[in-house]
Amino acid sequence: GQQVMQIPQYQHVQEGEDFTTYCNSSTTLSNIQWYKQRPGGHPVFLIQLVKSGEVKKQKRLTFQFGEAKKNSSLHITATQTTDVGTYFCAGGSGNTGKLIFGQGTTLQVKP
Amino acid sequence: NAGVMQNPRHLVRRRGQEARLRCSPMKGHSHVYWYRQLPEEGLKFMVYLQKENIIDESGMPKERFSAEFPKEGPSILRIQQVVRGDSAAYFCASSPRQSGANVLTFGAGSRLTVL
Repeated sequence: GQQVMQIPQYQHVQEGEDFTTYCNSSTTLSNIQWYKQRPGGHPVFLIQLVKSGEVKKQKRLTFQFGEAKKNSSLHITATQTTDVGTYFCAGGSGNTGKLIFGQGTTLQVKP
Repeated sequence: NAGVMQNPRHLVRRRGQEARLRCSPMKGHSHVYWYRQLPEEGLKFMVYLQKENIIDESGMPKERFSAEFPKEGPSILRIQQVVRGDSAAYFCASSPRQSGANVLTFGAGSRLTVL
C-alpha cells in the first residue's frame, strides 16, 4: 500500500537557525498537505500543495511539491520557540479522499 | 461554529472492557476519519466514513475494532475487549466532501488508557 516517509524524525536547533523536513511517497500523489501538532495538542492544517513543482510561502515557512509529485519539503527560516512541535506531511492519491500521514518530524528550538 | 467535537477526552478502561469514542464533525462536513497515534509516533489511518457508509477501513484491525457513522448522531469508534496495546490517542477529523484534495479538521482527540 501507499507509504509516506518523513525525515528526520527529530531535529534540535538553536533559535534563529533554519530547519527543513523532507517527505517522500512511494506513489504519485494528487496533493500533499502539511500539518503541525503542538505538544499535547492535535494536528492543525498548515497548507496544501496540488501542482507539480509548486512552491508556497507562509511568512517564514516555505513549502515545495516535487516535480514528480512524490516528494515535498517544509523549510522554516530563522526558527523561533513558537515553531516547536511535530510537523506532518500527508499525501492523498486518487479520488478517495484518504490521507496517509508521514511519521512526522519533531522540532525542538533552544532559546 | 463549533469545530470537530470528540468525547470523552480521556477514558480509562481495564483489560477486557469496551471503549466507545464519539466524534461529531464540523457543521457542514459529511466525512469523518479516524486516526490512532501512539506516544511519540505518527498518525496511523484507521477508517474513513460518510453517513451510513464506510468508504475505506483498510487501517482497521481485523478484530475488536469497529466504526460507524449513523444517519443521526456522532460517529463512533468502538473497541471491544481492550488490551494494553490499545492505549493511544484517537483523533477524529472531518472534511466537507469526498475528493482527492480534502483538507482535514481535527478534533482534540480521545486519550485511551488501558490498565
